[in-house]
Amino acid sequence: GQNIDQPTEMTATEGAIVQINCTYQTSGFNGLFWYQQHAGEAPTFLSYNVLDGLEEKGRFSSFLSRSKGYSYLLLKELQMKDSASYLCAVRKNAGNMLTFGGGTRLMVKP
Amino acid sequence: EPEVTQTPSHQVTQMGQEVILRCVPISNHLYFYWYRQILGQKVEFLVSFYNNEISEKSEIFDDQFSVERPDGSNFTLKIRSTKLEDSAMYFCASSEATGPASNSPLHFGNGTRLTVT
Repeated sequence: GQNIDQPTEMTATEGAIVQINCTYQTSGFNGLFWYQQHAGEAPTFLSYNVLDGLEEKGRFSSFLSRSKGYSYLLLKELQMKDSASYLCAVRKNAGNMLTFGGGTRLMVKP
Repeated sequence: EPEVTQTPSHQVTQMGQEVILRCVPISNHLYFYWYRQILGQKVEFLVSFYNNEISEKSEIFDDQFSVERPDGSNFTLKIRSTKLEDSAMYFCASSEATGPASNSPLHFGNGTRLTVT
C-alpha cells in the first residue's frame, strides 16, 4: 500500500510565504503531483516532480527528495484566493493512477 | 481551454436504485478515470480506462460499479443498487498519456454530487 501524509490545516498571512509538506511511502514511485482544490470544486493541477529538485512555476514551487520520500509545495506572495486545500498525490509504476493524501487546508488571513 | 465536463452536477437517488454518471473527457485524451470524494475525506481512485477497457481498478470498484465508453465522446460510471455510503462527489478525469516518462497530469471535471437517501 501507500502512505501519504500531509498536515491537516495551515494558516498564513496574505503576502507571506508558506510551505506545505508531504511525506510518502510507496514502492515503484513514478512521480508526485500537487493539486489545488477549492471547497466543492474539482482538483486543479499545480505541479509535477519525478526527479529530485525544485520545479518553479510562478508563485508556486515544488520540491522532491526521492530518497527521503518527501516533497513540499511552496507558495509565495500569498493571496486570499490561495485559501484552498492542497493535495499531494503519488503515481506508482507505469500506470497513471494517482493516490491522494488527505490534503492540507490552507487559510490565508489578511 | 478544453475541459472535462460532467453531468448532472447533482443527483439525488433512493437507496437501491441505479444511477449513471456521465462525463465527456477532453477530446484528444486517451486515458479516463473515475474518482470519488466522500464529504470531508480524501479523493479516492475508483477506476482507469484505456483503449476501451479497464486498466486499473481499486478495491472500492466492485461488482456494483461499471464503466463504459458508449461512443467516441462519452464516458459513464454506472452504480447499481445504490447504498447510503455511495453518497459522495464523483469526479471524472482524463489525461493525454501515461508511462514512466510522462508528466501528463489528470484533468478533473467539476464532479457530480451523488446523494443517496
